[in-house]
Amino acid sequence: AQSVTQPDIHITVSEGASLELRCNYSYGATPYLFWYVQSPGQGLQLLLKYFSGDTLVQGIKGFEAEFKRSQSSFNLRKPSVHWSDAAEYFCAVGAGANNLFFGTGTRLTVIP
Amino acid sequence: ETGVTQSPTHLIKTRGQQVTLRCSSQSGHNTVSWYQQALGQGPQFIFQYYREEENGRGNFPPRFSGLQFPNYSSELNVNALELDDSALYLCASSLVQGGNGYTFGSGTRLTVV
Repeated sequence: AQSVTQPDIHITVSEGASLELRCNYSYGATPYLFWYVQSPGQGLQLLLKYFSGDTLVQGIKGFEAEFKRSQSSFNLRKPSVHWSDAAEYFCAVGAGANNLFFGTGTRLTVIP
Repeated sequence: ETGVTQSPTHLIKTRGQQVTLRCSSQSGHNTVSWYQQALGQGPQFIFQYYREEENGRGNFPPRFSGLQFPNYSSELNVNALELDDSALYLCASSLVQGGNGYTFGSGTRLTVV
């Protein structure tokens, strides 16, 4: 069965510091992997996706993620966080082509 | 290029009532999926429609039903509302059944009292 684990419920970082959000997945085949961001009261915006090929994926807003098959991980990184990055971040795995399984999210707080 | 639009943005219903939520897909997208996001949780897949037919369903009872129209817009219907149905309902559209990722709307916040 598919599942996604985001072990950090809440992370606080200082503006300008680096960021890594963890994501581990369970899926029987090569997964489609996604990171979405959600601001309060809003829908989900796609940051980046991995389908195949280069395991380091670049996304919007300066985010990147690395697919590590041996660790079943797809961690999200950003070298320097901006105050506008404060939001909820969701990792998701695509179950074939039909639907996405989401983790429970990580809430990011950015302090000045 | 228009995004995914959902209506209404907020809705309050009484337990036992029925509700219809609407979604207009992004231009050119032929697949629509619906998700339920309870407070503090990640979205959960309800079902997907492709070419006006249900094409996959999550662990939701039959009182959750849907429609997709020829213009690829969609409806989510929920009968016999329960308090636990209170959530943000998200619509997501995609091309070719999600192969290139999904575009989400801003959601409809449903409160059941």
